[in-house]
Formats: sequence, structure tokens, C-alpha cells
Amino acid sequence: AQRVTQPEKLLSVFKGAPVELKCNYSYSGSPELFWYVQYSRQRLQLLLRHISRESIKGFTADLNKGETSFHLKKPFAQEEDSAMYYCALRTAGNMLTFGGGTRLMVKP
Amino acid sequence: DTAVSQTPKYLVTQMGNDKSIKCEQNLGHDTMYWYKQDSKKFLKIMFSYNNKELIINETVPNRFSPKSPDKAHLNLHINSLELGDSAVYFCASSRRDRVAEAFFGQGTRLTVV
Repeated sequence: AQRVTQPEKLLSVFKGAPVELKCNYSYSGSPELFWYVQYSRQRLQLLLRHISRESIKGFTADLNKGETSFHLKKPFAQEEDSAMYYCALRTAGNMLTFGGGTRLMVKP
Repeated sequence: DTAVSQTPKYLVTQMGNDKSIKCEQNLGHDTMYWYKQDSKKFLKIMFSYNNKELIINETVPNRFSPKSPDKAHLNLHINSLELGDSAVYFCASSRRDRVAEAFFGQGTRLTVV
């Protein structure tokens, strides 16, 4: 069965510190992974996807099939990065399976 | 213009009642979804629906049913509400081949007392 695990419910860092939000997945097929972000009082929105290998708002994520991971990284956290982050896996039936989410708090 | 709108934003109701949450999208998407976010912030897909196919997450009780009067709407009906149904319910829409680019609504906070 497919599963997405985000081991940290809360991650607190100081402004300017590096950030890594962990995501591990379990899926028998070819994985397609994404990161979503939900800022306070805003909608959940797509942040980035592994296929495009892009950097959005300074965030990057690399799919590591050997470790079945898709960790989200940013070298220097900003206060405006504080939000809820979800890792998601696209599965059969064109659906998304989400991890439990990690709340990132960036302190001044 | 709100792309995906849900009503009501808040819903408080008693156990055993039947309630509906409405969702409308004006993006011209052909697929709509319902997600449940529980008190621990876990976000789970409940349904995926386009005009040809309804896909149901097997963990969803059959007290929950989606109703789509037209392509722009996917309402969520819940019968015999239980305390454990308390959660935030999110509607979303996308093109069928672009599930990752789904546009989410602001959510409906359902509280069952």
C-alpha cells in the first residue's frame, strides 16, 4: 500500500538557518512526488514537484529512490516560510496521498 | 473571483444529523475532489470525481457521498453524523491529468457535538 511519512510534526529554526523537512514514501509503482504548503489562513497550494527539479522560493527537493525519500530543503530560512508543509505522492486513480504534515516555524 | 468556493465555512451540528457541504469551481476543471483534514492535520483524499468516474477512498464510510449536479459543483453529503466526523473538509479541482495542480478551497470546519 502507498504511504507518505513526515516524521516531524513541528520544526522550529531561526531565521537564516538551513531547513530540511523530511519525507519518506512507500509505493510499489514509479513515484511522482510533490510538496504543498499552507500558509496561515490561506489555501493549500502546490510548492514544487520532483519531475520539474525546480527551485521555488528557495526550496528544493530531490527524489532519492534508494532511500525512498523526498526531503524539502532551503539553505536559509525566512520568517515568511513559516507554514504547514505537506509531502504528497500521486497514486493510481489519479489521487494524491498526503503525509501528516510538518509545521515549520521560523523564529526571528 | 474565488476559484474554488465552499459553503459553509463553519458548520456545527449534533450527532445523528445529516448535513451537506457545497463546493463550486469556476476554473473549468473537469475533476473535483474532497479531502478530510483531521485534528492532527492529517490530510486524506476522500473522493475523486469527474463526469465519467467516481473514485472512492476505501476508508471512507458510506455515510459520506458526493453529489455532482454539474461539472462545476461537487457537494458532500454526510448522513448520521458522528463525533469522529469533526474535521476540516477541503474541496479541490483540477484538470484530470493535472491532479498535482489542484486548486483547493478554503475548507469547511465541521464540528459535531
